[in-house]
Amino acid sequence: GEDVEQSLFLSVREGDSSVINCTYTDSSSTYLYWYKQEPGAGLQLLTYIFSNMDMKQDQRLTVLLNKKDKHLSLRIADTQTGDSAIYFCAERGWGGGNKLTFGTGTQLKVEL
Amino acid sequence: DSGVTQTPKHLITATGQRVTLRCSPRSGDLSVYWYQQSLDQGLQFLIQYYNGEERAKGNILERFSAQQFPDLHSELNLSSLELGDSALYFCASSDGTGSSEQYFGPGTRLTVT
Repeated sequence: GEDVEQSLFLSVREGDSSVINCTYTDSSSTYLYWYKQEPGAGLQLLTYIFSNMDMKQDQRLTVLLNKKDKHLSLRIADTQTGDSAIYFCAERGWGGGNKLTFGTGTQLKVEL
Repeated sequence: DSGVTQTPKHLITATGQRVTLRCSPRSGDLSVYWYQQSLDQGLQFLIQYYNGEERAKGNILERFSAQQFPDLHSELNLSSLELGDSALYFCASSDGTGSSEQYFGPGTRLTVT
């Protein structure tokens, strides 16, 4: 079955870059996503990448996909305190509807 | 604001009871998804509906059921509630045409006492 793994915590200083990593097992993944969850809030779609791409940039966010190693990363440039949240990686496989399989989430803490 | 609405925001009920969670998708979206977020299981897909029909099923218990109505809103019914059903229940929607984006509602926090 599908499995998505992430490290649980990341701490960075304000102004530095953050890199959040994710690995997945489903070789038929079509899209891979990054969602952000702030305390007490829902999931905010940040960005996504189609599986035939290897990079996508969207303002301060850069997504890198290594399909061979099934590794996805999210880089946040110039990290701010408002970026403190839990970041979820998710993958969508082929078929079976469009269900998303989520990782455990990475808690990003931005320190002054 | 994602455009997906969920009610109620919070729900506290006792074991053995039955509750109904409601979701209205974004305008124009035909697909609705239900997910459960709990401390021990993480975020798990429960079920998907597309234009009133069940499209995909995940780890949904037999005590749980859902439906999507002609106006496209959806309800998730949870019955014979147990303490372990306490969780955040999210609804998401997409246009269902293979579009890549799924937008999530703010969730309903269910507490079973």
